[in-house]
Amino acid sequence: NAGVTQTPKFQVLKTGQSMTLQCAQDMNHEYMSWYRQDPGMGLRLIHYSVGAGITDQGEVPNGYNVSRSTTEDFPLRLLSAAPSQTSVYFCASSYSGFYGYTFGSGTRLTVV
Amino acid sequence: DAKTTQPTSMDCAEGRAANLPCNHSTISGNEYVYWYRQIHSQGPQYIIHGLKNNETNEMASLIITEDRKSSTLILPHATLRDTAVYYCIVRVVNQAGTALIFGKGTTLSVSS
Repeated sequence: NAGVTQTPKFQVLKTGQSMTLQCAQDMNHEYMSWYRQDPGMGLRLIHYSVGAGITDQGEVPNGYNVSRSTTEDFPLRLLSAAPSQTSVYFCASSYSGFYGYTFGSGTRLTVV
Repeated sequence: DAKTTQPTSMDCAEGRAANLPCNHSTISGNEYVYWYRQIHSQGPQYIIHGLKNNETNEMASLIITEDRKSSTLILPHATLRDTAVYYCIVRVVNQAGTALIFGKGTTLSVSS
């Protein structure tokens, strides 16, 4: 099925652990983004990419790394998890960067 | 991107039209108006976008004032499933190297 796939859907980490949130899309979209959403808050942009090999920082990039080696995949790495990174993480992709973005269903991360 | 202002919350009776306003008084000539919604912590869903002409699709209508300083998203016959947070975003057309930035949005509650 076409769309944005995020894995895992749920994750619990201990403080200091590292992990990678996966995001894959099969729509040949050049533009991909990562957002986090804290309880009762809006979405905040973490990192984004405008094509393979090209990434840039968003509003809240600290504590996260990204890379884009293929058009399909845009993983988000948490370097050393902190309780402040407890959030729901959404990945999104778009063909043009300004036309409608498609969002994944989210990864719910809890850091204890 | 131009700043947008939306009411924090709105109520609507089921079957009636829901009119969600958005103020973007600093919009420039090459900026589109986009609307997304987020239902109960799912990934945001693209609704509609426009530049200066009114737009309609199967989900909603977008009315942009002649001076483009404000717009209204219209859900013609709101249902309980339209209860969501609605985000109005203004963004430059074909702006390279950026992604969508979300504000706080309007929480629309549709009741029977």
